[in-house]
Amino acid sequence: QQPVQSPQAVILREGEDAVINCSSSKALYSVHWYRQKHGEAPVFLMILLKGGEQKGHEKISASFNEKKQQSSLYLTASQLSYSGTYFCGTGGDDKIIFGKGTRLHILP
Amino acid sequence: AAGVIQSPRHLIKEKRETATLKCYPIPRHDTVYWYQQGPGQDPQFLISFYEKMQSDKGSIPDRFSAQQFSDYHSELNMSSLELGDSALYFCASSAVTGNPYEQYFGPGTRLTVT
Repeated sequence: QQPVQSPQAVILREGEDAVINCSSSKALYSVHWYRQKHGEAPVFLMILLKGGEQKGHEKISASFNEKKQQSSLYLTASQLSYSGTYFCGTGGDDKIIFGKGTRLHILP
Repeated sequence: AAGVIQSPRHLIKEKRETATLKCYPIPRHDTVYWYQQGPGQDPQFLISFYEKMQSDKGSIPDRFSAQQFSDYHSELNMSSLELGDSALYFCASSAVTGNPYEQYFGPGTRLTVT
């Protein structure tokens, strides 16, 4: 079951904050977050495992609510380099099922 | 740090031809995954291997086959190519001994079928 991401696209000015949401109709055991720039490989940002944790990576952090089967990615004080498509993915130690992505465009 | 290596990076084939894509995982990674990404689409899981055995299978056409070799590199073989096979093909790897859920993607092979 493909996770659902929202919003589909976001346009921000440099320095603004953004939140990207990911939800699933099935129980989540792990949530993966990747960022992909056009024509490049998805870059691993972080993974959140069942058991509850919030992770951070520079100014990017994420939360995982098992009961609501949701995860959110928080980007604070966005930089131009944050532009790209953000994918959440669900899965375990095998395949990742990716959402359709959220396109983030940062304006100077 | 060493990353996943894929070759070739670009490949142009005609309809009905065959293609072989190669993937060299990060050293000491024992699991390889193949994904296909069409233009503007999300990556779609094709197949995965752990210790040279197929571990999971996704939406991989019967015209495609793959294997993992003793040195852990993997090859995706594609036959009777169709226009719709044009896409970016990514290989990712992970290590069971590390955090097995972290998959690291290679730069991809862009396949164009004409």
